[in-house]
Amino acid sequence: DAKTTQPTSMDCAEGRAANLPCNHSTISGNEYVYWYRQIHSQGPQYIIHGLKNNETNEMASLIITEDRKSSTLILPHATLRDTAVYYCIVRVGNYDKVIFGPGTSLSVIP
Amino acid sequence: DTEVTQTPKHLVMGMTNKKSLKCEQHMGHRAMYWYKQKAKKPPELMFVYSYEKLSINESVPSRFSPECPNSSLLNLHLHALQPEDSALYLCASSQTSGRYNEQFFGPGTRLTVL
Repeated sequence: DAKTTQPTSMDCAEGRAANLPCNHSTISGNEYVYWYRQIHSQGPQYIIHGLKNNETNEMASLIITEDRKSSTLILPHATLRDTAVYYCIVRVGNYDKVIFGPGTSLSVIP
Repeated sequence: DTEVTQTPKHLVMGMTNKKSLKCEQHMGHRAMYWYKQKAKKPPELMFVYSYEKLSINESVPSRFSPECPNSSLLNLHLHALQPEDSALYLCASSQTSGRYNEQFFGPGTRLTVL
């Protein structure tokens, strides 16, 4: 099973880009990288996912390295409402299973 | 409707009680999930239902009993719980089970076992 490692916590100034890294060096060729976030006392929220190409949606951009061993989630203009725990997830072989790692606690500072 | 709803929001129960948590979605999703989340920890998968059949049980104690009466509804029956079972219980759904489908989460039920 591919595992992920993320920084425990990060700070970002409001209005600046937040770049959240994730290492997944044991990822298999057909495994997707997913990002979710969980704002305090709420259920996790899907952000974005990708296989090998960079992806962008209305919430964020996902940059995956060419060897697929790491990725970066980019929130282009962080707001206070983006303060949350961000989880990087690789879907494991039994693809019904989603295993959350410890995640990165992002604090957006005014 | 793009929501997963969970009831109740909060539940306090004694160790001898029997209670149920309810989860509902009307997005036509055919996979539904139960997660348990302790304070300051990530969610942990408990059960997966795919097309109303239990496909994954992550070695959850039998005092937790899931039920999927139809494709929109998922229950978690609780009996003889322990204080360490106190946690946030999250329900999620996805279009189908599969690595391409994102999961939509409900707000959770905060359970306290006395």
